[in-house]
Order: sequence, then C-alpha cells, then structure tokens
Amino acid sequence: DADVTQTPRNRITKTGKRIMLECSQTKGHDRMYWYRQDPGLGLRLIYYSFDVKDINKGEISDGYSVSRQAQAKFSLSLESAIPNQTALYFCATSWGNQPQHFGDGTRLSIL
Amino acid sequence: QQQVKQSPQSLIVQKGGISIINCAYENTAFDYFPWYQQFPGKGPALLIAIRPDVSEKKEGRFTISFNKSAKQFSLHIMDSQPGDSATYFCAASFQGAQKLVFGQGTRLTINP
Repeated sequence: DADVTQTPRNRITKTGKRIMLECSQTKGHDRMYWYRQDPGLGLRLIYYSFDVKDINKGEISDGYSVSRQAQAKFSLSLESAIPNQTALYFCATSWGNQPQHFGDGTRLSIL
Repeated sequence: QQQVKQSPQSLIVQKGGISIINCAYENTAFDYFPWYQQFPGKGPALLIAIRPDVSEKKEGRFTISFNKSAKQFSLHIMDSQPGDSATYFCAASFQGAQKLVFGQGTRLTINP
C-alpha cells in the first residue's frame, strides 16, 4: 500500500491567515487528490493531479489552491482562511485507475 | 447537488446481526462503486468495490449488492462484530477510480 503522509495532523489558526497543508507519498503513484470531509456531507474533491504538470479543479475548489512540487508531493493552500473552511482534509494517491489510498488527514480549525 | 445519496446516517446493530447500508446514485455513466471504511483518526480505506456488470460481490463477511436498473447499491455486513464499528462511505466514479463522488457516510455501531 502507498504510504501517504500528511502534515500537520492538527492545525488551529485565525481567519485571514495563509495556511499550507502538505502531502507526500513514497510509492511512486502518479495521481494525487485533496478532499475535505464535513459531517453529513461525506468527502468532497477539492483538487486533483494526474501528474506533475496536470492540475485540475474538483467539486469545491474556490478558496483553495494546490501545487504539485514533485511526483511525490502535493500541497494544498488556503490563501486567506475563513471559518467555514474548518474541516478534516485528506490527501489520496493512486496509480492509474487503481483504488485510491488515503492519508490519515489534517484536522484544521479556523477561528 | 448530491450525486450519491447514502442512508442511514447512523446505524446500531447487535453483535452477530446483519448491517445494511444503502446508496443511490444519479449518473448512469458511473462504472465503479467502492465502499470505504474509516476508523476515528484514520483516513478512509477501501473495503470492497463492484463494477456494474455484476449484481453482487462478496469478500468474507462483506457483500455489495448492485441494482443497475434502480441505480442503487448496498453494503451488507454479515455476523457484525464490534470491530466493524466505523464510518462507512459509499462512492462512485467513471473511468475507473479517478474522481470519486462520495455518499454522506454512515456511522455504524456494533453493540457487544
């Protein structure tokens, strides 16, 4: 299985701050994804990348940006955080059309 | 717009009983239907998946039943155990497992 590492695991910050969540993987998967999880809404796709030069918006990309620095690294940024971006954030990876493997998430609270 | 609707939101089952979680989808182009299991503090992990060319898939105590005409699929957990207590998500996608659309999740509790 892919080793998908997310940092930080928990973060509390204030409205208006810029925040970066990082994801790295060690199995050489080409595809990486960012989701947010909210109670009662399941997981929703924010951005996805099928290779280093490919970045695509997901269902809820407004207020977020991403960077694929290398095949193994995919970071998510909140340029100016707002309270309704408080959520659990998950990174996932996959190889081709194979199942996605998820990291253990970042719990983000915006005050 | 929720393309995949999951029910119930929470479910309590006695040990040894059958747990059933249902999902309905709207997009007939979906061709891959996985179920994910999530424990507290962990990310979702693939449990079992099905493609629409079969009506049922079984792996151990876990079975997916798929009804293409009704656009519904369900997860059955036989002989439910306390260790099955978790949140379960159904999902759907097309062209393989690329862009998953998730249901709302079901919190399952198995009482000993």
